[in-house]
Amino acid sequence: EAGVAQSPRYKIIEKRQSVAFWCNPISGHATLYWYQQILGQGPKLLIQFQNNGVVDDSQLPKDRFSAERLKGVDSTLKIQPAKLEDSAVYLCASSLKGRVDEQFFGPGTRLTVL
Amino acid sequence: KQEVTQIPAALSVPEGENLVLNCSFTDSAIYNLQWFRQDPGKGLTSLLLIQSSQREQTSGRLNASLDKSSGRSTLYIAASQPGDSATYLCAVRRGGSEKLVFGKGMKLTVNP
Repeated sequence: EAGVAQSPRYKIIEKRQSVAFWCNPISGHATLYWYQQILGQGPKLLIQFQNNGVVDDSQLPKDRFSAERLKGVDSTLKIQPAKLEDSAVYLCASSLKGRVDEQFFGPGTRLTVL
Repeated sequence: KQEVTQIPAALSVPEGENLVLNCSFTDSAIYNLQWFRQDPGKGLTSLLLIQSSQREQTSGRLNASLDKSSGRSTLYIAASQPGDSATYLCAVRRGGSEKLVFGKGMKLTVNP
């Protein structure tokens, strides 16, 4: 069974630039999560999708972050404009509907903002 | 607001030692607690899930216990091996919520 795929794996940008991350969840997983993991900290949930609808985006900085899952499969997370404090690993996870305790995580995208 | 603490932040031990990793949380009204492992450059892998009504869970050399009233969980690793080297994180889920609240993790190094 293929796992959660993310790209790119690494990205270096300058502050005020834009960046986008892509996630392809495990086939059949209706729920998709984006987490931000700052170095030395645990992951923090940014947004949770159920199919193509948003379940929870309470911790998403909406002035600069946006995410979409148009067809209920792949998802894109965008940052515009980036700040230094956005440097982190962005993890995508997926699960079957209602199985929040059985999340499968992708390898993450490491973002460095200079 | 739920806060999850893991102390120490890092631990280095020789191979073969039995280890105890600690996790504490401030709000005892949890639904469950989960221990994860994170290898460098990789995502998280779930190791053990303990429901709030349970006291412990076991998987191979791993044993996790939960004392909800005192806000504590421990992950016991028996006969540690170099392959156990990774960062271990605990996460709690509150009843009625689908959000996991993670600790900062503990980086374990097992030396051959």
